[in-house]
Amino acid sequence: AQTVTQSQPEMSVQEAETVTLSCTYDTSESNYYLFWYKQPPSRQMILVIRQEAYKQQNATENRFSVNFQKAAKSFSLKISDSQLGDTAMYFCAFMRGINNAGNMLTFGGGTRLMVKP
Amino acid sequence: NAGVTQTPKFRILKIGQSMTLQCTQDMNHNYMYWYRQDPGMGLKLIYYSVGAGITDKGEVPNGYNVSRSTTEDFPLRLELAAPSQTSVYFCASTRDRADVYTFGSGTRLTVV
Repeated sequence: AQTVTQSQPEMSVQEAETVTLSCTYDTSESNYYLFWYKQPPSRQMILVIRQEAYKQQNATENRFSVNFQKAAKSFSLKISDSQLGDTAMYFCAFMRGINNAGNMLTFGGGTRLMVKP
Repeated sequence: NAGVTQTPKFRILKIGQSMTLQCTQDMNHNYMYWYRQDPGMGLKLIYYSVGAGITDKGEVPNGYNVSRSTTEDFPLRLELAAPSQTSVYFCASTRDRADVYTFGSGTRLTVV
């Protein structure tokens, strides 16, 4: 079974600064996908970024980027130029590769991020 | 596009009551899922379906039942509600394996 661990329950950052959220995972699979989801107070689950394990290049989406270390099973999220709208819960999630039955997500416990003005 | 629609958005149940959480999607997605999110926690998979007529258990299926008679609908049935089922329930869908999820907006259920 896969496990996902987010070791930082809460973090805060000043507006316009950079913050990094940590995520580690445990799996015996070689082919998988990793995700970061944002959950604002509205409760909606919003995809931030997606990484395919077979790609060595780190994924980026505008101000969001990841540091994917496959050997260390680490998948951190960097948010640059933090904005007040980034305040939310952030979840790291794991999905087994395409050759496995179903494509269920395994979530970490979340990190609550507060961006301060 | 409506995406994934969940009803109701909020519900309070008494212990022992039953109810059905509705989920429908209009994207012709094959895969549908039910997750629950306990306070301050990540989501956990209850049941999933890979197509009409096919369902399977997830990580936390006890106390729940599902059916998938059409591609669009995937209702979640709670029988004999218990306080431990107080949670936020999310329905989601994907077109294929390893596809990006489309989540519904969630149902907040309280069992008292």
